[in-house]
Amino acid sequence: EVQLVESGGGLVQPGGSLRLSCAASGFTFSSYSMNWVRQAPGKGLEWVSYITSGSSTIYYPDSVKGRFTISRDNAKNSLYLQMNSLRAEDTAVYYCARAGSVYQYFDYWGQGTLVTVSS
Amino acid sequence: DIQMTQSPSTLSASVGDRVTITCRASQSISTWLAWYQQKPGRAPKLLIYKASSLQSGVPSRFSGSGSGTEFTLTISSLQPDDFATYYCQQYNSYVWTFGQGTKVEIK
Repeated sequence: EVQLVESGGGLVQPGGSLRLSCAASGFTFSSYSMNWVRQAPGKGLEWVSYITSGSSTIYYPDSVKGRFTISRDNAKNSLYLQMNSLRAEDTAVYYCARAGSVYQYFDYWGQGTLVTVSS
Repeated sequence: DIQMTQSPSTLSASVGDRVTITCRASQSISTWLAWYQQKPGRAPKLLIYKASSLQSGVPSRFSGSGSGTEFTLTISSLQPDDFATYYCQQYNSYVWTFGQGTKVEIK
């Protein structure tokens, strides 16, 4: 059974940093591209970052480019999101999501971890 | 970036109704479209990919159609478990974008 379990969320002050983790199991993690997607309270879904299986290609939307860094450790079956210079508008539940094996939709999602940016 | 617009934003329906949700893309995305279902406090769940392909394990009452810029998600006979919010998503470009969501409520 595919499982994705996020951790590392919490309360952080504006301008602060936080590192999220996503532990993967039930599939060959090193064979799949991965993503982070966020959802602000009461709002819709926003894609945050993408990384290929071997970390050779990474993408971000303009809203987080230069502040967020996605990475992975295939030996540990883990995905990470380093978030710096956090703003109030970064407050959201952050999900890790696996990309499909052929097409780049998101076929499995974790349960999410809440990040709150507030003073 | 490609903008995705869903309609309606909210839909009131009864068990057994046929329900249709529309998603429009700001430019052609071929059939690179997915649909997700999300219930309160839960992660999104993939229903449909490549516009019309049913994800394994998803009931056959869900179907998708369309290509280019206009797409639909249809629930043939609404069940109690289907009251949720539905999102479309394009994956034509490496800036993935979602529609704003359609909440299906009990009438």
